[in-house]
Amino acid sequence: GAVVSQHPSRVICKSGTSVKIECRSLDFQATTMFWYRQFPKQSLMLMATSNEGSKATYEQGVEKDKFLINHASLTLSTLTVTSAHPEDSSFYICSAVKGGDYGYTFGSGTRLTVV
Amino acid sequence: QQQVKQSPQSLIVQKGGISIINCAYENTAFDYFPWYQQFPGKGPALLIAIRPDVSEKKEGRFTISFNKSAKQFSLHIMDSQPGDSATYFCAATTSGTYKYIFGTGTRLKVLA
Repeated sequence: GAVVSQHPSRVICKSGTSVKIECRSLDFQATTMFWYRQFPKQSLMLMATSNEGSKATYEQGVEKDKFLINHASLTLSTLTVTSAHPEDSSFYICSAVKGGDYGYTFGSGTRLTVV
Repeated sequence: QQQVKQSPQSLIVQKGGISIINCAYENTAFDYFPWYQQFPGKGPALLIAIRPDVSEKKEGRFTISFNKSAKQFSLHIMDSQPGDSATYFCAATTSGTYKYIFGTGTRLKVLA
């Protein structure tokens, strides 16, 4: 199988604080993980590609200093939203790729609310 | 050229009916076309996927039809059930890149 666990599922934080979201591949090693952002009733917007042991590749328009990505092992990638503001409130979803397999497995998502 | 156009934006179907969602692409380098189902507050889950070397793939009540010359593919949900009510996304990617291009999504509602 290919199971991806994302934690937390919901988080509320105060404006100006930082929030860390974890994405773990539970039963496979993920050479590549992706972080998406989804606004209500909209499609998934790719934020960055996370490769184990190397720097993340960010999509155009995504602030790398605000959205810090760390892929320290083959089973864990983290997204830290730094100095969060209300406009960062969104649904964040990670996905992982099992080496050699084109299929994405998505995490269950994290609803971030910045107050 | 990287876009995947998806239609309709929303769809209402009676229980037992057929739901049809269409997608079109331009990049002929795409060679993997998955469909994802997403329930509110959850991450997308892979439903079914197809490669361009076949014109149709069926898994249970879900069928993908693929027209390579027209650069179009569609999802058919047979005997639609209220539990199928969700948002459906098509996607496309090129081998080795793992970078998916997603359609804009279709909100399906199946009436009981």
